[in-house]
Amino acid sequence: AQSVAQPEDQVNVAEGNPLTVKCTYSVSGNPYLFWYVQYPNRGLQFLLKYITGDNLVKGSYGFEAEFNKSQTSFHLKKPSALVSDSALYFCAVRDYYNTDKLIFGTGTRLQVFP
Amino acid sequence: ETGVTQTPRHLVMGMTNKKSLKCEQHLGHNAMYWYKQSAKKPLELMFVYSLEERVENNSVPSRFSPECPNSSHLFLHLHTLQPEDSALYLCASSRGVSSYNEQFFGPGTRLTVL
Repeated sequence: AQSVAQPEDQVNVAEGNPLTVKCTYSVSGNPYLFWYVQYPNRGLQFLLKYITGDNLVKGSYGFEAEFNKSQTSFHLKKPSALVSDSALYFCAVRDYYNTDKLIFGTGTRLQVFP
Repeated sequence: ETGVTQTPRHLVMGMTNKKSLKCEQHLGHNAMYWYKQSAKKPLELMFVYSLEERVENNSVPSRFSPECPNSSHLFLHLHTLQPEDSALYLCASSRGVSSYNEQFFGPGTRLTVL
């Protein structure tokens, strides 16, 4: 079965430190991968996507993600965290058999402390 | 702001009530989506519309009835809901249903069924 796993319910990091939010996937065919962020009382906002090409994808707000085919991972990273990055982060992958559908993970809450 | 608006933002209804959720996108997109977001669970895709035609219905109970009168507006009609239907209902839009296209989400309607 196709799936997305976000193994950490919550990630805590101090402001100014690098952050990583983990995502692994299981999907048929070549994966299309996405990261979205949800701030309190808001809908999801698109951060970045990997379709093909360079394994390192740069996105909004200084975030980037690295596609690793051998490890079936697509971890979200940022070199220096900000308190304002505190939010809920969702990884998603295209459903190979139903290409208009995204399969979302359960989300990881990022808490950045001053 | 993402250009996708939803009304109302909060709704409390009894199990015998009939209500409707409204979504409007100002982005010129051709595809619109309804999702259900429950705590600790992945986003659940409910309905997908492309150019006002329904293209996806993920086995959603008939007490949820979508309507897409044009490419800018999407409704979710609710009747005889159950308490377990309490959740955040998110609307999204994209340029097309292809998963190349990132989705833009509204802020959601927080629904409580008593």
